Amino acid sequence: NAGVTQTPKFRVLKTGQSMTLLCAQDMNHEYMYWYRQDPGMGLRLIHYSVGEGTTAKGEVPDGYNVSRLKKQNFLLGLESAAPSQTSVYFCASSWMPSGRENEQFFGPGTRLTVL
Amino acid sequence: DAKTTQPTSMDCAEGRAANLPCNHSTISGNEYVYWYRQIHSQGPQYIIHGLKNNETNEMASLIITEDRKSSTLILPHATLRDTAVYYCIVRVEWEDTGNQFYFGTGTSLTVIP
Repeated sequence: NAGVTQTPKFRVLKTGQSMTLLCAQDMNHEYMYWYRQDPGMGLRLIHYSVGEGTTAKGEVPDGYNVSRLKKQNFLLGLESAAPSQTSVYFCASSWMPSGRENEQFFGPGTRLTVL
Repeated sequence: DAKTTQPTSMDCAEGRAANLPCNHSTISGNEYVYWYRQIHSQGPQYIIHGLKNNETNEMASLIITEDRKSSTLILPHATLRDTAVYYCIVRVEWEDTGNQFYFGTGTSLTVIP
């Protein structure tokens, strides 16, 4: 099993450009999450999904959109990138909302720089 | 408002126990405490979690105070590979069966040879 994978690993954008980050998991997990991590800070939840076709806002959703068209994929979109969106983005997935099964498995991260 | 507070950094001698504290004074009765660690900016890795009782697994022990306002992660015999940033997390349940992890700012643990 590959676990959670993210594409791309690195990206540099100019202000106003758009892009999509792809997260894929092969563990048949229901829940998927997108986080951002800024220097010296913990991870903050951007959006999440509790199943195929569903998405919801997390702690810092502004400027981002997401889609979960297939259970194994969770896409994070930036329609008009801003320098404030320079960050490392982590995707995670989990099976169930409670107990050990809620362990979130994280991908390796995508380092995004917006100039 | 931060749900957890942790010291910014700690050192520990190799082979000794590392005790990492966390304060979560506003935690509610059904909110779990999780610990993850992050090595070299990789994705965070699960260590342990608990609700009320102390927990132990092959990696660590988690001691939660009786009032649940603080906890301590214990790595019993720290090795150089335990050098990482350790995050104390409160898991909040939403009414619609969802949940959210609230990460602290983390403690950077350095294990010294």
